[in-house]
Amino acid sequence: QVQLVESGGGVVQPGGSLRLSCAASGFTFSTYGIHWVRQAPGKGLEWVAFIRYDGGDIHYADSVKGRFTISRDNSKNTLYLQMNSLRAEDTAAYYCAKHSATSGSIDYWGQGTLVTVSS
Amino acid sequence: DIVMTQSPDSLAVSLGGRATINCKSSQSVFYSSNNKNYLAWYQHKSGQPPKLLIYWASIRQSGVPDRFSGSGSGTDFSLTINNLQAEDVAVYYCQQYYSTPYSFGQGTKLEIK
Repeated sequence: QVQLVESGGGVVQPGGSLRLSCAASGFTFSTYGIHWVRQAPGKGLEWVAFIRYDGGDIHYADSVKGRFTISRDNSKNTLYLQMNSLRAEDTAAYYCAKHSATSGSIDYWGQGTLVTVSS
Repeated sequence: DIVMTQSPDSLAVSLGGRATINCKSSQSVFYSSNNKNYLAWYQHKSGQPPKLLIYWASIRQSGVPDRFSGSGSGTDFSLTINNLQAEDVAVYYCQQYYSTPYSFGQGTKLEIK
């Protein structure tokens, strides 16, 4: 079965950096695009970034562009999100989520990892 | 960027009743070349990851009960839940995947009356 397991969350000071990882299993990771989606406390879902199956096409939300970098290592079945210049408003649960090739939507989600930006 | 707006923000429906959630996009998410609306609905229960319910605006994801249905085209969409069950309590989100950024609606909180 499809599994996505995020890690790397924690508490970081404003202006700091953090790298999230997402370990994938149960499907052929190298043939699917993957998203990062976040949810701030008490708020709704916010799409953050997408990377195509081969890393050749990448998109970001305006709110993170220039600060966050999505990448993947298909040899390790792992997705990454490098987050720099973190702000209080980046505090959220971060989900990695599998792109569906047939529907174009998101068909599987991880459990999420919590990032807290606070001094 | 496409802005997604849901209504209402919250609603309470009796067990066995019908819930209807609306979603409006600031521009059409209909792609005429394949006749598809790039619109999905997700259910998000507290403490769990979101779950895909509907894609292409009206196609139920495998395993989703037929009490859930999606409709609409262009800029106006609806999610209807018939015969509401206690386990349907959740926040529901629409999302457009027509163009990046793949925006979500603000969410609709569904409760039992």
